[in-house]
Amino acid sequence: QPVLTQSSSASASLGSSVKLTCTLSSGHSNYIIAWHQQQPGKAPRYLMNLESSGNYNKGSGVPDRFSGSSSGADRYLTISNLQSEDEADYYCETWDSNNHVFGTGTKVTVL
Amino acid sequence: EVQLVESGGGFLKPGGSLSLSCVTSGFTFGNVWMSWVRQAPGKGLEWVGRIKSKTDGGTTDYAAPVKGRFSISRDDSKNTLYLQMNSLKTEDTAVYYCSTVFFLDGYLQGPWGQGTLVTVSS
Repeated sequence: QPVLTQSSSASASLGSSVKLTCTLSSGHSNYIIAWHQQQPGKAPRYLMNLESSGNYNKGSGVPDRFSGSSSGADRYLTISNLQSEDEADYYCETWDSNNHVFGTGTKVTVL
Repeated sequence: EVQLVESGGGFLKPGGSLSLSCVTSGFTFGNVWMSWVRQAPGKGLEWVGRIKSKTDGGTTDYAAPVKGRFSISRDDSKNTLYLQMNSLKTEDTAVYYCSTVFFLDGYLQGPWGQGTLVTVSS
């Protein structure tokens, strides 16, 4: 089954951009993933699904500041014009025919 | 408005059983696949299992740590998802969320419930 690797933390200044990476394990580089945001003390929120081609579908209501891209086994989430409410944990998720797996999450700090 | 509301969490001893519910509204529940995801205190998200729509067979899949102990079911007439948890262990302590993904009126929806806390301790 696939394994997802994420950095534990990232930080960027208010109004700047941050790019998060989720790396799929060997043999799974063509998998679709989903990105989720979890603000402190809240339930997760679905942000988008992201294909190996770089095409993505954002969830309803997700701000334009959030975008996705791909390169090989890497899936990226870019947050532009970083806002204080973007300070959160970000998880990637993928799945195969009978299993789902989450990455360990990246904690984003807004400086 | 699309909504998922979990209930049924509580405090119980190892070896006990508990049933969680997830009541949904705002979409055609019978058409979607539903998942349970949990989050232990201070930890990341962990997939628990999933049930397909009846149209797609209604079958279930489970994560290895819960297979054989947990069971997912659905009642499409009540727009409700269930998680039956048996032989509970201390490591099952977590907030349990239900979630799904579907298109509604051309827009991708990925709602999560607010979660319900299950604490297993002696």
